Amino acid sequence: DQQVKQNSPSLSVQEGRISILNCDYTNSMFDYFLWYKKYPAEGPTFLISISSIKDKNEDGRFTVFLNKSAKHLSLHIVPSQPGDSAVYFCAASEGLNTGNQFYFGTGTSLTVIP
Amino acid sequence: DAGVIQSPRHEVTEMGQEVTLRCKPISGHNSLFWYRQTMMRGLELLIYFNNNVPIDDSGMPEDRFSAKMPNASFSTLKIQPSEPRDSAVYFCASSQLAAGGRGYGYTFGSGTRLTVV
Repeated sequence: DQQVKQNSPSLSVQEGRISILNCDYTNSMFDYFLWYKKYPAEGPTFLISISSIKDKNEDGRFTVFLNKSAKHLSLHIVPSQPGDSAVYFCAASEGLNTGNQFYFGTGTSLTVIP
Repeated sequence: DAGVIQSPRHEVTEMGQEVTLRCKPISGHNSLFWYRQTMMRGLELLIYFNNNVPIDDSGMPEDRFSAKMPNASFSTLKIQPSEPRDSAVYFCASSQLAAGGRGYGYTFGSGTRLTVV
């Protein structure tokens, strides 16, 4: 069963506008979350993380929000740029007791239109 | 560091043939993961190793799949016999299992695109 879900397989946004990518999880023991970005023919690369002790983490144009009560996190990209067009995966971890294992969503393909 | 190195980048094989995918993790990383990417399941964990020991292989779809990590710098994922439904991109990833090791999650290789015809 998919413990991390990204219900939007694709998203299109105009350049300069905000992109919002959503992720839901079912396991309340998850306490660490990551977003990865993947270009075609490349492996996923780390983008931004957030620990459950925080509800927001910001890195430049990228901000991740965590709503623990709703088991929901989102990635905001402002302003969106054509180079942001990629597949974005969210991932969650339950902690070192599980061997540092991350569970991934199915990904959202973002297209930023120039 | 050259990152996680996977070979081959592309593999086309006939149904029934044996396929071996290879991975060299980042030096110093003590966890290694094999993932398969499909449209339906996204990044699906097949198996992972800590300190060269297989910890969880519950994601391996069938007995046709096997993985080994004979030493800290090399791992293989073997499919024997291969079937068309095994066609996917297979990723290897490594990480440092430590208190600070979750900071950046995994470092992924570029993947092997497997096509079984």
